[in-house]
Amino acid sequence: DAGVTQSPTHLIKTRGQQVTLRCSPKSGHDTVSWYQQALGQGPQFIFQYYEEEERQRGNFPDRFSGHQFPNYSSELNVNALLLGDSALYLCASSVRDRVPEQYFGPGTRLTVT
Amino acid sequence: GIQVEQSPPDLILQEGANSTLRCNFSDSVNNLQWFHQNPWGQLINLFYIPSGTKQNGRLSATTVATERYSLLYISSSQTTDSGVYFCAVENSGNTPLVFGKGTRLSVIA
Repeated sequence: DAGVTQSPTHLIKTRGQQVTLRCSPKSGHDTVSWYQQALGQGPQFIFQYYEEEERQRGNFPDRFSGHQFPNYSSELNVNALLLGDSALYLCASSVRDRVPEQYFGPGTRLTVT
Repeated sequence: GIQVEQSPPDLILQEGANSTLRCNFSDSVNNLQWFHQNPWGQLINLFYIPSGTKQNGRLSATTVATERYSLLYISSSQTTDSGVYFCAVENSGNTPLVFGKGTRLSVIA
């Protein structure tokens, strides 16, 4: 049973560039949530996707956008990168309207220089 | 929104010692999870425990939903238990997890 996978593992970008992060949910899961974790902090919710639509959004600017594909995998896109976007980006999957337990991937560590 | 407070923020233990980590939350919850974040950043699921008591080896957890707190017990700690322990809650269906700031545990040999 494959768990949640994310790619790439690490990424270095320059201010102003754009980045795309990818996530494949745990087998049988249909809901994907993205979180940002700054150094020394707990993860902060960015948004959640279900049935290829953004269902909920946290307090993040429009530079952060996403997509969910018919196979339930998801992408997180960040435009016009700022130094403050440097963080660990975590993807979590779950099954909607069932036991709400979320499972996390290994994360993508983004460094913006 | 719901608030989550974890204590203590930092904990240093000698190998073999026991510890209790606490999580207080400000509203009713339908989901409460404990995670261990390893040095590489991976969040490992420890318990899904919106209420009641569960045990898994040297770890156990209790959530008293009516009093809005949860406890994570680690017995006979090992150096591999080191890392950050997070409590995260969700207070209604299909809402995002809200994390506490974590407890950083260091177990020394």
